[in-house]
Order: sequence, then structure tokens, then C-alpha cells
Amino acid sequence: QKEVEQDPGPLSVPEGAIVSLNCTYSNSAFQYFMWYRQYSRKGPELLMYTYSSGNKEDGRFTAQVDKSSKYISLFIRDSQPSDSATYLCAMKTNAGGTSYGKLTFGQGTILTVHP
Amino acid sequence: KAGVTQTPRYLIKTRGQQVTLSCSPISGHRSVSWYQQTPGQGLQFLFEYFSETQRNKGNFPGRFSGRQFSNSRSEMNVSTLELGDSALYLCASSWGQGIMSVYGLRWEKLFFGSGTQLSVL
Repeated sequence: QKEVEQDPGPLSVPEGAIVSLNCTYSNSAFQYFMWYRQYSRKGPELLMYTYSSGNKEDGRFTAQVDKSSKYISLFIRDSQPSDSATYLCAMKTNAGGTSYGKLTFGQGTILTVHP
Repeated sequence: KAGVTQTPRYLIKTRGQQVTLSCSPISGHRSVSWYQQTPGQGLQFLFEYFSETQRNKGNFPGRFSGRQFSNSRSEMNVSTLELGDSALYLCASSWGQGIMSVYGLRWEKLFFGSGTQLSVL
């Protein structure tokens, strides 16, 4: 079983819809939680990150972490066709000393927002 | 400011050959990490280099190796290619120092390149 599970979708929604993307994890040592967006033929780019349980909002995006349930979510409000991409959750432990480059990713969810 | 540059963008090789991929980090970044992305396994960590030293390593066979030069540019090499090595290889750069959060944890943002798409025939 993978340490991070993410439903690959695909997910198709109409423009303006609220999108909910989710990941579950099994490793209690994960301390950092991130969401990346990856457009076709591009590398992932960081959307949101958080360390703690609770909600974090940035514009149309809200990241939610529930450490007790080992569950994280990303909500996209008023979705736009330009939001069509693959969304990847990623996590990191505090282990590894000064190593900051090792992230554990979910499989990614393919999202299409149609006009 | 230029982003992370990976060359070449596309590569076709045959089984048994070896391949070298290159990554130029953002200016000033001293850490370079490599990832393999496949439809079946997603993104998997290969290794991380900082100041020419390997700082962390993932669970890949010894056929996968890397190095970093004094200008922080990095290369990864795959020897004796197998069909299963077909993937998008991504590198990410960062400062390598970490930023202390209010919770006493260190973290830093990774900046990814667009990757090298390797096809093994």
C-alpha cells in the first residue's frame, strides 16, 4: 500500500463549480503538506503548503489538513477552464536532517473545467 | 530570473544503452533533487544533491546515479536502460538551507523544471 493515496480521477466539472480534491496518508511522521499543480508537458508548481491541522486560504484555493484522520483536501472555488491540470498532493517528514528535497507524492488527480 | 532548465526535453534510447540528463538550477540555488514520474507510480524521489554531495537517496537500483558540479548544475545517469525506465524525469532546485517555521520545523519550496521525457525502446 502506498504511503499517500489520491484518487486519479479524472474529474470533470463545469466552470464556476467548487472542486474538492483529497488525499489520505498512512505515515504519521508527515509534517508538511503541499498541493502542486502540473499542466501538460510542464513540471509541478507549488500551489499551497501548510504544517498544521486546519484550513489555509489563498484566493480561490483552500487547503485543509486533518492530522487525526490523516486526510488532506484542496478546495477550488469558482473554478475556471485555466484550472484544468493535474493536482498532486505531496508530503514531507521532518526526518532526513538538512535534506529538503524528498517529497512523497500522491498519484495526482486530473481535473478538467469545461466552459 | 530564469527557471530550472532541463536538457534534453525528449530522448529516445534502446534497451541496454545508457543516458545522461542535465539540470541547471535557478541561480543561487544549491540543492537539486531528481524525480521519476510514470503513469503507474506517479512521482518518485530519486536523489538530492547539495554542494556537490548526495544528501538523500530514494529506493532506486544502482543503475541510477547522479552528480552535482561546483556551479550547482546536476546530471543524472541511467545505465543499462530497461523498458520500465521510460518516464518523465524531473529535477527541482531549492536554496538548500531550509526556512524555519513558527512551529520550529524547517521546510523550503522546490522549483521544478519541465522535465526530460525518456522513451526506452
